[in-house]
Amino acid sequence: GAGVSQTPSNKVTEKGKYVELRCDPISGHTALYWYRQSLGQGPEFLIYFQGTGAADDSGLPNDRFFAVRPEGSVSTLKIQRTERGDSAVYLCASSLKRGNEQFFGPGTRLTVL
Amino acid sequence: AQTVTQSQPEMSVQEAETVTLSCTYDTSENNYYLFWYKQPPSRQMILVIRQEAYKQQNATENRFSVNFQKAAKSFSLKISDSQLGDTAMYFCASPNQAGTALIFGKGTTLSVSS
Repeated sequence: GAGVSQTPSNKVTEKGKYVELRCDPISGHTALYWYRQSLGQGPEFLIYFQGTGAADDSGLPNDRFFAVRPEGSVSTLKIQRTERGDSAVYLCASSLKRGNEQFFGPGTRLTVL
Repeated sequence: AQTVTQSQPEMSVQEAETVTLSCTYDTSENNYYLFWYKQPPSRQMILVIRQEAYKQQNATENRFSVNFQKAAKSFSLKISDSQLGDTAMYFCASPNQAGTALIFGKGTTLSVSS
């Protein structure tokens, strides 16, 4: 398991429901990032973790979005009261340390009906 | 706010030809990295090449090379001997000021045909 993995690969939910998206970074990578990519656009930053702490969460669009990384490895992005506008591909990336090249997972495609 | 601009939404090229994808960026930093990523239909973002801003020499990785013009804040990607497998969306990216995230351009869709 050399790369970044994300589960599920696809998630369909109804408006108003709660969802969790999981990211398993490359072993030993202390930096972890979440991005959101809408159709035909580049990824947009959501949140950055250094170890267990969220060092920069300035990209989270509102308080319905939250992410954790309790043991400094796996991270979960949580979205409450989902809205149709949350539909997008959610990408996770990790790097050995801040500023190094980021390695991306395959993403989770979230569809909110 | 920092921006990364890719002015070519789509490009088409035939196999074995050379194509150049353009990118301009905006940063106030002196030392930074710049990246080109490839995203095929599988959705997986793959690092193609990176450039360290303090190095004057342009980075090269096999058929991929960059033309880095620091003063002009320009960072174009040249793909030589294009192959069908190069068909993908290509994103230029630069770090934000805090170094906590990458800022991506809107991408260029490259189609390579036989």
